Amino acid sequence: GENVEQHPSTLSVQEGDSAVIKCTYSDSASNYFPWYKQELGKGPQLIIDIRSNVGEKKDQRIAVTLNKTAKHFSLHITETQPEDSAVYFCAAHSGYSTLTFGKGTMLLVSP
Amino acid sequence: NAGVTQTPKFQVLKTGQSMTLQCAQDMNHNSMYWYRQDPGMGLRLIYYSASEGTTDKGEVPNGYNVSRLNKREFSLRLESAAPSQTSVYFCASSENLREDYEQYFGPGTRLTVT
Repeated sequence: GENVEQHPSTLSVQEGDSAVIKCTYSDSASNYFPWYKQELGKGPQLIIDIRSNVGEKKDQRIAVTLNKTAKHFSLHITETQPEDSAVYFCAAHSGYSTLTFGKGTMLLVSP
Repeated sequence: NAGVTQTPKFQVLKTGQSMTLQCAQDMNHNSMYWYRQDPGMGLRLIYYSASEGTTDKGEVPNGYNVSRLNKREFSLRLESAAPSQTSVYFCASSENLREDYEQYFGPGTRLTVT
């Protein structure tokens, strides 16, 4: 089955800095890669996703890049703000009905 | 739209007790999922239902059973709770057709087994 590795497990940045979270996957058939943000006490919520036929996607301050050859994808957050503090999960979909999630990254943005 | 709703929000059980976690979605989604979240372990799939009338095991199904009651509702049952089942449980749903794989999550149920 699919295996998704996510790094780092925790990330501390100063407000205004950039943050990068990286994930690798094992199944070359995976074709959809979402990123979820989980705020304290809430369920995860999709913030951006990318499909295997696209190399990069941006939405305001967040972007995701995908390298199919190396089987890794990354989340980039620019101009971080305290409200970006949360746990972020990457995931991969490999053609069945399920997503395989990484173990999560706790991002702390200090004012 | 309420999205995905879960009941209860919190529950404390004694070892050996049983309970059912309820989940409902109002988005007419085909697929529904149950996850557990433990510190440092991410989201692990317990069971899922790809479509009404079907259920399949996920990564960690032992000690759990599920019922897809209808297209809207998907319940998770613990027959004999154990302390190892102390966790936060999330239900999710997705369309899962026409390459629409986004999963929508409920607010979670925090379960403690003593």
